[in-house]
Amino acid sequence: QLQLQESVPGLVKPSETLSLTCTVSGGFISSSDMYWGWIRQPPGKGLEWIGTINYSGITYYNPSLTSRVSMSVDTSKNQFSLRMASVTAADTAVYYCCRIRALRFFDYWGQGSLVTVSS
Amino acid sequence: DIQMTQSPSTLSASVGDRVTITCRASQTIGRWLAWYQQKPGKAPKILIYDASNLQSGVPSRFSGGGSGAEFTLTISSLQPDDFATYYCQQSNGYLYTFGQGTKLEIK
Repeated sequence: QLQLQESVPGLVKPSETLSLTCTVSGGFISSSDMYWGWIRQPPGKGLEWIGTINYSGITYYNPSLTSRVSMSVDTSKNQFSLRMASVTAADTAVYYCCRIRALRFFDYWGQGSLVTVSS
Repeated sequence: DIQMTQSPSTLSASVGDRVTITCRASQTIGRWLAWYQQKPGKAPKILIYDASNLQSGVPSRFSGGGSGAEFTLTISSLQPDDFATYYCQQSNGYLYTFGQGTKLEIK
C-alpha cells in the first residue's frame, strides 16, 4: 500500500523560506507514469494546488505561486520536496503531499501537516 | 484560470436521502473532473475520477455524471459515514483547481 508522509517545520517566520519534504513508501517515486504534488488548505478553507513534479524533475506550478515556489525530487531517497520563499501569514495552512494519477487526479494523500507562519 | 463553482455550499439531509451536488466549470473541461470527500482533520479521499469512474473501494451509492462544463455527484442513499465536505477538482492541461466545497450536514 502506497504511503506518503510530509516532513514540515511547523512554524516559520514571515519573509523566510518554507521547506517541506514528502517521503514515499510502498512504491517507487521513479515510476515513469506517476507524478507527485503538493496541495494546501488554509484553516477552515478550501484546497489549493501548489505544484507537480515527476521523477525526472519536470515541474508545473500554480501560476499564482510560481514566482515563490520550487520543487525537487530525490529518487535515491524516494522523496520530493517543496520550497516556498517569502512566506506571509497567508501561507499558513495544512500542506498535503499527493500522488497524481495520469496527471488528472490525486489518488494518494499524505496525512497533512500544519505550517504556521508567525513571528 | 478555470474556476470551479459548487452548489449548494451547504446541504442538510437525512440518512437514506438521495442528494446531488453540482459543479460548474468556467469553461469546458471535457470529462476531466474528480470528486473528493473530506472529513474534519483528515486528508481528502478520491471518490470519482474522469467524471463518472468510481475509485476502487468506494461504495456504489456514489455516482458521478456530466461532461463539458457541468457535473454532478449523487449519493443514492445517505449513510451516517457520508456526512462530510465534498470537493470537485478539474484538470486542464497540467493545472488543477478545486471547487469551494459543499458541506453535507445532518438534518
